[in-house]
Amino acid sequence: GAGVSQSPRYKVAKRGQDVALRCDPISGHVSLFWYQQALGQGPEFLTYFQNEAQLDKSGLPSDRFFAERPEGSVSTLKIQRTQQEDSAVYLCASSLRQGRDGYTFGSGTRLTVV
Amino acid sequence: GESVGLHLPTLSVQEGDNSIINCAYSNSASDYFIWYKQESGKGPQFIIDIRSNMDKRQGQRVTVLLNKTVKHLSLQIAATQPGDSAVYFCADNNAGNMLTFGGGTRLMVKP
Repeated sequence: GAGVSQSPRYKVAKRGQDVALRCDPISGHVSLFWYQQALGQGPEFLTYFQNEAQLDKSGLPSDRFFAERPEGSVSTLKIQRTQQEDSAVYLCASSLRQGRDGYTFGSGTRLTVV
Repeated sequence: GESVGLHLPTLSVQEGDNSIINCAYSNSASDYFIWYKQESGKGPQFIIDIRSNMDKRQGQRVTVLLNKTVKHLSLQIAATQPGDSAVYFCADNNAGNMLTFGGGTRLMVKP
């Protein structure tokens, strides 16, 4: 596609509910990243994929967060048993090669946990 | 630990004036920096990058300056326009593949 597409754009979840956030990277992009952006803050790294391999998940805040990219294209970020502190914008970015290039970010999914 | 931060949270400039947004970093080993622009409801948009073997890099109406001695970089926007109103982030791409972002500076352009 022309850009990185994320869905849904907005998600409201009740505390304790599981959510799944989808990212469609630019076609052919090898690298895919997930970032979490709290209100008024800069994005913070969550996890990184190179093709289907999850090479870095050091930023995932707890074991309730899980990400996958089974076929090396679309990725899903899943949050189990959502908590209020999970409320944030979740950004996906992709890059043609392995890192150190200008990433292309999607518009994000705004998650609100009530 | 590594941190990337910004000096001013909000910058207000008159349309047509030049804007300067500053950023400090703490990791002296950092060797690649990127400036992003983020408009409301959108993801960060790449503006310009610079590697540590350079002191200055110019793009269209934007210039990034890097001072490795004091671990400081700045983004200069010439002839600021209303469309430049956004939050600007510097980011460090030194830690492997991940980006480390600062807290952001909001640029407000007055007509």
